[in-house]
Amino acid sequence: EVRLLESGGGLVQPGGSLRLSCAASGFTFSSSAMSWVRQAPGKGLEWVSTIRGSGTGTFYADSVKGRFLISRDNSRNTLYLQTNSPRVDDTAVYYCAKESETSGGFDSWGQGTLVTVSS
Amino acid sequence: SYQMNQPPSVSVSPGQTATITCSGDKLGDKYVHWYHQKPGQSPVLVIYQDTKRPSGIPERFSGSNSGNTATLTISGTQAMDEADYYCQAWDSSKVVFGGGTKLTVL
Repeated sequence: EVRLLESGGGLVQPGGSLRLSCAASGFTFSSSAMSWVRQAPGKGLEWVSTIRGSGTGTFYADSVKGRFLISRDNSRNTLYLQTNSPRVDDTAVYYCAKESETSGGFDSWGQGTLVTVSS
Repeated sequence: SYQMNQPPSVSVSPGQTATITCSGDKLGDKYVHWYHQKPGQSPVLVIYQDTKRPSGIPERFSGSNSGNTATLTISGTQAMDEADYYCQAWDSSKVVFGGGTKLTVL
């Protein structure tokens, strides 16, 4: 069974930093592209970033490019998102999502971790 | 940046067919995936690559994609299908989600 467990959310001040983690199990982690998707309170889904299985290809939404950094440790089956210089509008539940090896859709999601950016 | 548009809300009576659309420029040239999300829960993939159902998703869920519009169809809609529905595609190395459609079964 695929399991994705996010952690690291909490309250952070504007301009601060926070690192989110996603512990994965139940599949061959290094073979799967992984993504972060966020959802602001009462709003829709917004893609944040994707990293390929090897870690060599990374992609970012324009809204976070240059501020957030996605990475992974395939030896620890863990995905990360370093959120630097967060803004109030980065407040959201951040989901870790696994991309299907064959379809391109996100076939597994974590339960999410809430990041609140406020002074 | 690429945009995909969904109606904010759709209503359907139990047992009837619900149709949710997702429109975007030449969307038919891309693969579209659909998710539903119930309150307080994480999204769940219900259709991938335009028309395919993941294991465990009921047969009443189906999809199509042609021209500028992708469509999610729920036949014989049940109360448990009430949720927010999102379309998703890739464009220029970025993931794009539609704005979401709230399906009400009443």
